[in-house]
Amino acid sequence: DVVMTQSPLSLPVTLGQPASISCRSSQSLVFSDGNTYLTWFQQRPGRSPRRLISKVSNRDSGVPDRFSGSGSGTDFTLKISGVEAEDVGLYYCMQSTHWPWTFGQGTKVEIK
Amino acid sequence: QVQLQESGPGLVKPSETLSLMCTVSGGSISSSYWSWIRQPPGKGLEWIGYIYSSGGTNSNPSLKSRVTMLIDTSKNQFSLSLSSVTAADTAVYYCATGRGSSWGQGTLVTVSS
Repeated sequence: DVVMTQSPLSLPVTLGQPASISCRSSQSLVFSDGNTYLTWFQQRPGRSPRRLISKVSNRDSGVPDRFSGSGSGTDFTLKISGVEAEDVGLYYCMQSTHWPWTFGQGTKVEIK
Repeated sequence: QVQLQESGPGLVKPSETLSLMCTVSGGSISSSYWSWIRQPPGKGLEWIGYIYSSGGTNSNPSLKSRVTMLIDTSKNQFSLSLSSVTAADTAVYYCATGRGSSWGQGTLVTVSS
């Protein structure tokens, strides 16, 4: 299975300050169709996951533009340009290039 | 925006079969493929498998021999069965669209006698 490694696992952030989460995969996530199926999900406390970004950098409808994704191959990053209180929760990267699809361990974003 | 809702027993005995249904609204189940994901309490996420509207499936090899997924396009529903459950199968089970653009609210299934 492809191992997804996130860092840090805990991320205390001051309101309004930027935050960055790294996600590394044990294999390249470039699919045979040329797409890179790397997705970022947010899971607020007590809620189901919500997709924020698909295919590395495509923000979902309704997702604030303070969230951005970047990267290629095996190295990916989720950035929040200025953390707001509603951003508290767990963030997971997930690859859906190689079966079985696998998640990172999750990064807990909290307010300092 | 399509909406999904899981339903099924919240308690299953060890060695028995866990059965869940997912009802899709706001869109046709025939238009895509559909997934099951689970999350043990306090832990991370595991993709169980997915089913195409044609009925074809793909299951996680870690669970493959125990997983059955079915789809009923006439009812806009798809289902998950997991056989021979143990305490390790205790989790919140989610249904979702193919690669996870939309998720249900999840349902906690506890395996206990």
